[in-house]
Amino acid sequence: GESVGLHLPTLSVQEGDNSIINCAYSNSASDYFIWYKQESGKGPQFIIDIRSNMDKRQGQRVTVLLNKTVKHLSLQIAATQPGDSAVYFCAENPSGQAGTALIFGKGTTLSVSS
Amino acid sequence: DTGVSQDPRHKITKRGQNVTFRCDPISEHNRLYWYRQTLGQGPEFLTYFQNEAQLEKSRLLSDRFSAERPKGSFSTLEIQRTEQGDSAMYLCASRGGGTGVGTEAFFGQGTRLTVV
Repeated sequence: GESVGLHLPTLSVQEGDNSIINCAYSNSASDYFIWYKQESGKGPQFIIDIRSNMDKRQGQRVTVLLNKTVKHLSLQIAATQPGDSAVYFCAENPSGQAGTALIFGKGTTLSVSS
Repeated sequence: DTGVSQDPRHKITKRGQNVTFRCDPISEHNRLYWYRQTLGQGPEFLTYFQNEAQLEKSRLLSDRFSAERPKGSFSTLEIQRTEQGDSAMYLCASRGGGTGVGTEAFFGQGTRLTVV
């Protein structure tokens, strides 16, 4: 698998590898985080979310890790497939309040080659 | 299909014209958001409604932009006197009540605006 220590705008992996996409968030008061996947010409699609009282959450082939100490979020994709190729965004709920807008980070373009 | 519908999907307009976009959120969602996304960037927040009340507006929302959600269901975003810099994807998202796991925002497919 390939990991990214700092945010990089692109990540290229081979089919079957594990992918790790990183995101740094800005507001220490944020208590809710989401990862979205966006394919070309489409709106963002929900992947997985996590609250700040958790440090790890798993879904189907995806895991989100939260490190509040350094305000860092990562998305791990197991056995990456060509259909995973897309732009991935992390989003935070900055004030922890239900009504505020999600703030999006810089995206990472994941390219999966077979 | 997320359940959030946007219309039209694409709009080409001449500079100076007015355009209006529509968003139909998931029916039981009381929160509705408009975002703008330019090529290579993440979505940028424009405005937020809770039911029919517009509770938050970004500094990005200039006087030429106006949004409404008259009955707390569908919403419209109007841009007056369009400029080339308005060319972008306009995204609508809806969200149910509460905060935390399981209250994610669902996005529509967006309206791609091109101002020529």
